[in-house]
Amino acid sequence: AQSVTQLGSHVSVSEGALVLLRCNYSSSVPPYLFWYVQYPNQGLQLLLKYTSAATLVKGINGFEAEFKKSETSFHLTKPSAHMSDAAEYFCAVCPGYSSASKIIFGSGTRLSIRP
Amino acid sequence: NAGVTQTPKFRILKIGQSMTLQCTQDMNHNYMYWYRQDPGMGLKLIYYSVGAGITDKGEVPNGYNVSRSTTEDFPLRLELAAPSQTSVYFCASSPRASGGGTDTQYFGPGTRLTVL
Repeated sequence: AQSVTQLGSHVSVSEGALVLLRCNYSSSVPPYLFWYVQYPNQGLQLLLKYTSAATLVKGINGFEAEFKKSETSFHLTKPSAHMSDAAEYFCAVCPGYSSASKIIFGSGTRLSIRP
Repeated sequence: NAGVTQTPKFRILKIGQSMTLQCTQDMNHNYMYWYRQDPGMGLKLIYYSVGAGITDKGEVPNGYNVSRSTTEDFPLRLELAAPSQTSVYFCASSPRASGGGTDTQYFGPGTRLTVL
């Protein structure tokens, strides 16, 4: 069975500061991992995905995430926060080689940016 | 391309009423999905479809029905609305019927439904 846990339902950082959003997963098979972003009143859009290639994955808008098998983690980072990064972020896990109907989403982390 | 479109954006229903949430995609994607998002929760899969004429249940299908008569459209039907169905509903699509979870899902803007 697969599951994903996002640590912290709300994270607040100052503009220009490091963004770190935490995600831990559980999977009985090698997983595919995703980060999605949801801006207010919009649907989700893919930030980045890990599919068993490079462990450090770069996404859009300067975000990146590192797959650490030993820690079962896939934390999302950005070196310098921008006001436009304020949004809800969802981590998701899918058993490798399964259809996307098996994707499990975390409960989300709301990122706020202080001026 | 418009991507994934959903109508309506907002709706208030009375208990026991029925309605259909519309979803259309213009990307010729095989897979389509319906999710619900409750406050403070992640998305839960209601139903999905791997192609026209083929649908299957997701994690939370009770109280809902779907059909897929064309590649483009995937409507979600609520027959007897209940307060527990108050949620935001998202439709999504992805390109392939195989290839696993690597296929990016494209989401619509959502329908905010309140059942009173």
